[in-house]
Amino acid sequence: DTGVSQNPRHKITKRGQNVTFRCDPISEHNRLYWYRQTLGQGPEFLTYFQNEAQLEKSRLLSDRFSAERPKGSFSTLEIQRTEQGDSAMYLCASSTEQGLGGNTIYFGEGSWLTVV
Amino acid sequence: AQKITQTQPGMFVQEKEAVTLDCTYDTSDPSYGLFWYKQPSSGEMIFLIYQGSYDQQNATEGRYSLNFQKARKSANLVISASQLGDSAMYFCAMRRPSGGYNKLIFGAGTRLAVHP
Repeated sequence: DTGVSQNPRHKITKRGQNVTFRCDPISEHNRLYWYRQTLGQGPEFLTYFQNEAQLEKSRLLSDRFSAERPKGSFSTLEIQRTEQGDSAMYLCASSTEQGLGGNTIYFGEGSWLTVV
Repeated sequence: AQKITQTQPGMFVQEKEAVTLDCTYDTSDPSYGLFWYKQPSSGEMIFLIYQGSYDQQNATEGRYSLNFQKARKSANLVISASQLGDSAMYFCAMRRPSGGYNKLIFGAGTRLAVHP
């Protein structure tokens, strides 16, 4: 499978625990994005990487959230001291630099987080 | 500020019939891109169709077409000959022209149910 891969697909955690999600983009894609989607809503932009550089962070990304892409390949999204409001699906997407047409953004299947 | 509005929380259609999903957008930028995604229960965002703000013709992709009315700021998705597998959430999204990368703003979505 050469698509965007995310794991774990589902995570249930107790409030206050830390969780980490991993995203493996399509291999030749140098751009990587994280989005968050809560029930009944569309995805909301969280952050963007070009290679290993994090170039934009949304205000939604509180101090408890940290994202990295250390070698410009896979990325991790860590949530510290989880709260019930963090329960959502976390979507990763990747794209190339070649044009901005519609078919250049590829999404993974998402990682569902439930905080109990 | 950029915004996407999808006013139909849910739509029903008979198999083999056509259906139109509404999307209006708000932006003051002259250059933007409009996307439609399908999200089945598995969670993956599946790209359907793209329309650039300077494209002269309405986009078409197989059974999907985009009714782009620039002056009215609407980008409705038309699905012809609906199939049972079309039942899913559908999201309209707009790309912000921010630094040349694909930062998307999504609407709240429309749930489509196709009946046999």
